[in-house]
Amino acid sequence: AQSVSQHNHHVILSEAASLELGCNYSYGGTVNLFWYVQYPGQHLQLLLKYFSGDPLVKGIKGFEAEFIKSKFSFNLRKPSVQWSDTAEYFCAVNAVTGFQKLVFGTGTRLLVSP
Amino acid sequence: GAGVSQSPSNKVTEKGKDVELRCDPISGHTALYWYRQRLGQGLEFLIYFQGNSAPDKSGLPSDRFSAERTGESVSTLTIQRTQQEDSAVYLCASSLDRGPDTQYFGPGTRLTVL
Repeated sequence: AQSVSQHNHHVILSEAASLELGCNYSYGGTVNLFWYVQYPGQHLQLLLKYFSGDPLVKGIKGFEAEFIKSKFSFNLRKPSVQWSDTAEYFCAVNAVTGFQKLVFGTGTRLLVSP
Repeated sequence: GAGVSQSPSNKVTEKGKDVELRCDPISGHTALYWYRQRLGQGLEFLIYFQGNSAPDKSGLPSDRFSAERTGESVSTLTIQRTQQEDSAVYLCASSLDRGPDTQYFGPGTRLTVL
């Protein structure tokens, strides 16, 4: 079965620190990859997505992620975090042909201290 | 335009009662998904509707769970004889088509079974 692993469950950073959240998936076929974010009290929003093409994708609010096919990874990065980035981040995958449902990781709670 | 809406936003019920949760997808979106998020866990897929095709019910945890969709609009998720382990946030998402398209999430219904 398909699965997604997020290695960091809780991350605490100071403002201006760099961020990298790990995401690995298991599926042998071609995938679409997503990062969703859930800010406190808000619903899940798309941060960025990869469907095809350039494996380095840029999203909203200065976030980017790199798809490394050989490592089955899609890590999320931001060079300098802000207090407003405090949220829970979810990596998700679905198949280009095959399963349409999103398979989610368990999420990473990020706390940025001012 | 309007996003995905869900009602009610919160539902408290007693064990053994039936509950019905409603989702209004984004207009024109042919695909609709239900997910469940239990406390401290990632989202788990429940059911997927795509146009007039038979729904993918592979994620429904038991026969107490069922869902319907009227054409390409409203969907209802019904849980019969609720149990305490059904307590979770139930999320609905919609997307334009079954192709590589982004799923847009609603705010969720927080279900508490006493």
